[in-house]
Amino acid sequence: SYMLTQPPSVSVAPGLTARITCGGNNIGSKRVHWYQQKPGQAPILVIYYDSDRPSGIPERFSGSNSGNTATLTISRVEAGDEADYYCQVWDLIGDHPLFGGGTKLAVL
Amino acid sequence: QVQLQESGPGLVKPSQTLSLTCTVSGGSISSGSHYWNWIRQPAGKGLEWIGRIYTNGHTNYNPSLKSRVTLSLDTSNSRFSLRLYSVTAADTAVYFCARAYSSGWDYFDYWGPGTLVTVSS
Repeated sequence: SYMLTQPPSVSVAPGLTARITCGGNNIGSKRVHWYQQKPGQAPILVIYYDSDRPSGIPERFSGSNSGNTATLTISRVEAGDEADYYCQVWDLIGDHPLFGGGTKLAVL
Repeated sequence: QVQLQESGPGLVKPSQTLSLTCTVSGGSISSGSHYWNWIRQPAGKGLEWIGRIYTNGHTNYNPSLKSRVTLSLDTSNSRFSLRLYSVTAADTAVYFCARAYSSGWDYFDYWGPGTLVTVSS
């Protein structure tokens, strides 16, 4: 079955750029969505269809997807960006969603 | 602004049935572009999709849970429900309800705050 691989953690200093990857076989042929989840809260959609931002999400959040890797990029990282981030795709064969294991973003 | 809110018992005994309801407000539960989901998250772990129900009542379930899950829809009261049978400690988790946008590459655009369900005697 299809699997998504995320690094368990990423660390970045405030003001710098964080890149969180989501690996999958030929993931570039799929559309990837990203969610932010802060402790004790529900996930929030931050990127959909690889690179689109829902209203209310800062332009600092962007996404890309090509080959075997999708990437969520957070520019000018702030302390408030510290959270778990999950990628998600649709398993066309099983006809159900798949989530990556999540990446904890630590702002140093 | 669409809002979802989970409700139900926070404690369920092993072998019994977990029952949760999600109430939808601020939007129509009968929207043809959306459908309704349950997703859970054990403490310290990732997200697991449980199942979905469309406004016509059609359901799909995670294969790993399919034999123990039933979703239902109550459009007149703008709510949908989850029943998970024969629970064990492994079913202890925060349970979220969420709306999905149906496009072929579906995503979850609104989530409830989640409710913790503990399975313990």
